[in-house]
Amino acid sequence: AQSVTQLDSQVPVFEEAPVELRCNYSSSVSVYLFWYVQYPNQGLQLLLKYLSGSTLVKGINGFEAEFNKSQTSFHLRKPSVHISDTAEYFCAVQGGSEKLVFGKGTKLTVNP
Amino acid sequence: NAGVMQNPRHLVRRRGQEARLRCSPMKGHSHVYWYRQLPEEGLKFMVYLQKENIIDESGMPKERFSAEFPKEGPSILRIQQVVRGDSAAYFCASSPPSLTDTQYFGPGTRLTVL
Repeated sequence: AQSVTQLDSQVPVFEEAPVELRCNYSSSVSVYLFWYVQYPNQGLQLLLKYLSGSTLVKGINGFEAEFNKSQTSFHLRKPSVHISDTAEYFCAVQGGSEKLVFGKGTKLTVNP
Repeated sequence: NAGVMQNPRHLVRRRGQEARLRCSPMKGHSHVYWYRQLPEEGLKFMVYLQKENIIDESGMPKERFSAEFPKEGPSILRIQQVVRGDSAAYFCASSPPSLTDTQYFGPGTRLTVL
């Protein structure tokens, strides 16, 4: 079985500041890792995913994430955020079956 | 290429009624997944279906909940005799048969039980 921990439930930042959203996972099998974004009253949109290969993964909207196997982490970063990045971000893992296991989410609020 | 479609977007039911949620996957996708999002929680897997088959229903409550994905038409998540605790957002995702590692989500159905 897998589990995902998103360490921060809320992250407030100022516009143009860098941000890191943290994600740790546990699994007894190899996993794929994902970050999704959810805007208010909408579905989830895939930001990026790690399947194999390079541990630094680049996604849409200027986001990137780094897979660290020894620390079982997959933190999401963006060097300079915009007001439009305000949303909820979900980390998810997939391993041993097709189902995704999600963290509880991190609400990112970008203030002017 | 239209995305995953779900309807209705909002559904209000009184306790004891039935709720039917529909999901039309993206064109060419034969795999459908249902997830439930309770307030202040992440999404929880419910069921994984392929056309006419339930592949994994490990996340489905044992009673009152059922799902199907017929040969023709949308996938249906059915909740009988709804209770207040069923109030949540229900999301459907789909994937092509060759890429089950990439799931595309619909906008969700928000169920409110009065």
